[in-house]
Amino acid sequence: KAGVTQTPRYLIKTRGQQVTLSCSPISGHRSVSWYQQTPGQGLQFLFEYFSETQRNKGNFPGRFSGRQFSNSRSEMNVSTLELGDSALYLCASSSTLGQGTEAFFGQGTRLTVV
Amino acid sequence: DQQVKQNSPSLSVQEGRISILNCDYTNSMFDYFLWYKKYPAEGPTFLISISSIKDKNEDGRFTVFLNKSAKHLSLHIVPSQPGDSAVYFCAASDPDKLIFGTGTRLQVFP
Repeated sequence: KAGVTQTPRYLIKTRGQQVTLSCSPISGHRSVSWYQQTPGQGLQFLFEYFSETQRNKGNFPGRFSGRQFSNSRSEMNVSTLELGDSALYLCASSSTLGQGTEAFFGQGTRLTVV
Repeated sequence: DQQVKQNSPSLSVQEGRISILNCDYTNSMFDYFLWYKKYPAEGPTFLISISSIKDKNEDGRFTVFLNKSAKHLSLHIVPSQPGDSAVYFCAASDPDKLIFGTGTRLQVFP
């Protein structure tokens, strides 16, 4: 069974640009979550999608958005990039929502904003 | 406001000894907790979890203890091996999202 696939693995963008990251969950998984990891901050929750609907959103500005397609693949978009957006962006998939559900992570996309 | 805290950023343990990683949380409504391990350039991998109806869960060398009254959990690794060297994250299920601590870097030396 293939794991969670994130593309691209690395990305360098300049301030003010926008970026789109992609995540393909494990086959059969309908829940996709996105996290931002920065040094000293752990993993911060961005948003979660289930069956193409955003069910939960973290405390990030509106420049961060996402969507999920009917095949459960998900994209996240960051517009008007800032230097502070440089981070590792991780996608996680799980089969259902809720308690007792473990999430499986992809390898992440390392975004550098210069 | 950090709802899940790992106050030790790093821990160094000799091979064969016990590693104890600690985690505190502030929200008494949390009732499911998970530990993840992360190697550089890889995503976190699930290690072990515990529900609040239990106070202990074991899986091989890994045991997680939960003290609900103290809002504290710990991960014990016995015996520690060099391959355990990684960053360990504690997480609480909210329940539709995971709230992570900032991680503890474990180094196991020979």
